[in-house]
Amino acid sequence: NAGVTQTPKFQVLKTGQSMTLQCAQDMNHEYMSWYRQDPGMGLRLIHYSVGAGITDQGEVPNGYNVSRSTTEDFPLRLLSAAPSQTSVYFCASSGGGGNTIYFGEGSWLTVV
Amino acid sequence: GDSVTQMEGPVTLSEEAFLTINCTYTATGYPSLFWYVQYPGEGLQLLLKATKADDKGSNKGFEATYRKETTSFHLEKGSVQVSDSAVYFCALSVSGGSYIPTFGRGTSLIVHP
Repeated sequence: NAGVTQTPKFQVLKTGQSMTLQCAQDMNHEYMSWYRQDPGMGLRLIHYSVGAGITDQGEVPNGYNVSRSTTEDFPLRLLSAAPSQTSVYFCASSGGGGNTIYFGEGSWLTVV
Repeated sequence: GDSVTQMEGPVTLSEEAFLTINCTYTATGYPSLFWYVQYPGEGLQLLLKATKADDKGSNKGFEATYRKETTSFHLEKGSVQVSDSAVYFCALSVSGGSYIPTFGRGTSLIVHP
């Protein structure tokens, strides 16, 4: 079972470049989200979606953009990368409140 | 709003020691409670969960009991192994409420041989 698939696993960007982190799930989950994880900061929610065509901001949305055109896919776009966006990014999905959250394996992003 | 508080780490133990990682929560509604584990270089994965008061979740020798009276969900293991070294996250999610789960900050566990 694929579960939640994230790509790429590792990426190095130069300041000012843009890129898209891909996320796909095959569990027909309505809820999808993106987190970043930094040392000592736990998980911080960037953006989330409760269904196709519906997205909303989380705790740290600045510098990121999302869209949800299908149930399966939820890409995260970095518009103009900054060194402060160096982090590990996780995509997650679930069937809704009270349900288990499934995470991707993470994307390690370095902005130089 | 909802919140999860877990003990700060790192927790450092010798192999075969007893483990407790404390987790308390506040929530509106009736939350399900979870423990997730993150091994080095990997994503979070579900370790165990409990969906109602007095339920006990268990997996891989780990246990946690949903205590509504103390709003707690402490993680325990009787004898830890080096392979248990990881970061452990307590979390809650409310059925019928917001889709957004609430996570604790994570507790790093280091087990020495």
